[in-house]
Amino acid sequence: EVQLVESGGGLVQPGGSLRLSCTTSGFTFSTYWMTWVRRAPGKGLEWVAHINQDGSEKYYVDSVKGRFTLSRDNAKNSLYLQMNSLRAEDTAVYYCARRDTTLKVFDYWGQGTLVTVSS
Amino acid sequence: QTVVTQEPSFSVSPGGTVTLTCGLSSGSVSTSYYPSWYQLTPGQAPRTLIYSTNTRSSGVPDRFSGSILGNKAALTITGAQADDESDYYCVLYMSTGVSVFGGGTKVTVL
Repeated sequence: EVQLVESGGGLVQPGGSLRLSCTTSGFTFSTYWMTWVRRAPGKGLEWVAHINQDGSEKYYVDSVKGRFTLSRDNAKNSLYLQMNSLRAEDTAVYYCARRDTTLKVFDYWGQGTLVTVSS
Repeated sequence: QTVVTQEPSFSVSPGGTVTLTCGLSSGSVSTSYYPSWYQLTPGQAPRTLIYSTNTRSSGVPDRFSGSILGNKAALTITGAQADDESDYYCVLYMSTGVSVFGGGTKVTVL
């Protein structure tokens, strides 16, 4: 059974940092693109970033470029999102999702982890 | 930056049919954008409904179907049920390598 479990969310002050993790099981992690998607309170889903199988390709939404860094550890079947210089508008539930390489679909999702940026 | 457009809301009667669309602020949606659709219910993880324009994800009822209608991707719910009341999001894959979600459509069944 494919499972994705996010962790690392919490309350952080504006300008602070947080590192999210997504631990996976039930599939060959090293053969899939992986993605972060977020949903701010009262807003819709927003694609944040994705990373290819070996970590050599990364793409980010403009609003997080230069502040967020995506990485992965294929030996640990884990995905990470390092978030720096956090802003109030980064407050959201962050979901980890697996992305099919050919079909570009986010086919499995985690339950999400809440990040709250507030003083 | 590219904007993906969706209707803010739709209302449908039980047993009725509703078609949601997913467009581009500039240009037409085609299969090369790999349109996919997701259902988001409060307190739950997103559920994948349709991918690659018209392929249903495993376990999704056949009352959900995807297509290209004119210059937009479309999600049709035929024979709507009460538990279809939800928010629906489309995603388009851009040639630049990024993905963009639409703003979502809130479907009410009443």
